[in-house]
Amino acid sequence: DGGITQSPKYLFRKEGQNVTLSCEQNLNHDAMYWYRQDPGQGLRLIYYSQIVNDFQKGDIAEGYSVSREKKESFPLTVTSAQKNPTAFYLCASSISHRMNTEAFFGQGTRLTVV
Amino acid sequence: RKEVEQDPGPFNVPEGATVAFNCTYSNSASQSFFWYRQDCRKEPKLLMSVYSSGNEDGRFTAQLNRASQYISLLIRDSKLSDSATYLCVVAGYSGAGSYQLTFGKGTKLSVIP
Repeated sequence: DGGITQSPKYLFRKEGQNVTLSCEQNLNHDAMYWYRQDPGQGLRLIYYSQIVNDFQKGDIAEGYSVSREKKESFPLTVTSAQKNPTAFYLCASSISHRMNTEAFFGQGTRLTVV
Repeated sequence: RKEVEQDPGPFNVPEGATVAFNCTYSNSASQSFFWYRQDCRKEPKLLMSVYSSGNEDGRFTAQLNRASQYISLLIRDSKLSDSATYLCVVAGYSGAGSYQLTFGKGTKLSVIP
């Protein structure tokens, strides 16, 4: 089945540790995105990538890093510099960066700092 | 002014009722519009795209008013299963030339038996 897969579903991290969230898609989509959602809040864009080996900062990139070495994969690293990392992280992809293309989401990773 | 604004609700309606949500956006150059549905603790899923001429999908009708920069979603004959948060999404090209989706915070709907 084609889709977008995030892992793990739940993740616990100690303060001061870096952690990497996985996002893989087999939809042959060019564009991929990472969003963060806090309780009762909307989705905020962390990073996005329109093509392999290229990515751009979103609205809240500080404390995060990404890579896009393969079309299928767009991992997100939450670094110790991110002061309030507990949140629901959503990865999405779209067929391209052309207009009128919707985004498809993975099931999300719920990160908790303990 | 926020880029995409929605009434957070909650909208509590009885089964069978008709309910309407509005969404306003600030970027007049926006080009694509969508409604997503998000269930509690789940990922958003596309409900429908919004076309300039308006479009309907079963009990759901979406309208776009470019002049006033708002989008609406009408749900007729509400079902219990319609209970969710509805996200308004506006897309377009940023100043840097990249295509971006901007999400509203969502409107929560609860359909009551």
